[in-house]
Amino acid sequence: DGGITQSPKYLFRKEGQNVTLSCEQNLNHDAMYWYRQDPGQGLRLIYYSQIVNDFQKGDIAEGYSVSREKKESFPLTVTSAQKNPTAFYLCASSISWGENTEAFFGQGTRLTVV
Amino acid sequence: GENVEQHPSTLSVQEGDSAVIKCTYSDSASNYFPWYKQELGKRPQLIIDIRSNVGEKKDQRIAVTLNKTAKHFSLHITETQPEDSAVYFCAASPPSYNTDKLIFGTGTRLQVFP
Repeated sequence: DGGITQSPKYLFRKEGQNVTLSCEQNLNHDAMYWYRQDPGQGLRLIYYSQIVNDFQKGDIAEGYSVSREKKESFPLTVTSAQKNPTAFYLCASSISWGENTEAFFGQGTRLTVV
Repeated sequence: GENVEQHPSTLSVQEGDSAVIKCTYSDSASNYFPWYKQELGKRPQLIIDIRSNVGEKKDQRIAVTLNKTAKHFSLHITETQPEDSAVYFCAASPPSYNTDKLIFGTGTRLQVFP
């Protein structure tokens, strides 16, 4: 499996709390992404980063924040402002800038708000 | 921005039959169209992709066709087997000179009955 790792696999959060999901890759990829997966809605893009110290909002960025201080790491924080945070979160990476290529996915984090 | 529609949402076939999943996209500038397979409880993985300079691509029992004029592309699986049962996602990617991100369809759950 290796390459891109998400942790933890399962995460429980109380309402009103922020929580951070980890995503690490050792593939030397420039681009990294966060997707949210809900039943019947496919994969929706939250944030993406094309290079270190740069990131862009995706289609559903409200209530989320990210950072990209290192090439290998792209953590996602789900804030208390996210109204419906219970979902399956997938992190992905791809080689590049300049050439569309395969995205490699992590194994996902299932977040449940209790 | 790009929008991808995928049909059908569920598809049941008998083992040995063919399965076809169709996607349409909105941005005529999109030039990369991958298909991902997600088995139950696992991460999405690339199974085949096609670029806009090609009309068809085949890899053993799977093939993808692209009609740029109509802005649609399809996944064809022949001689289906029970292990083909999974959720399949199509995606489209706009030109990578400025953004390097994938926009996914909503997924098709394929069930192959023995």
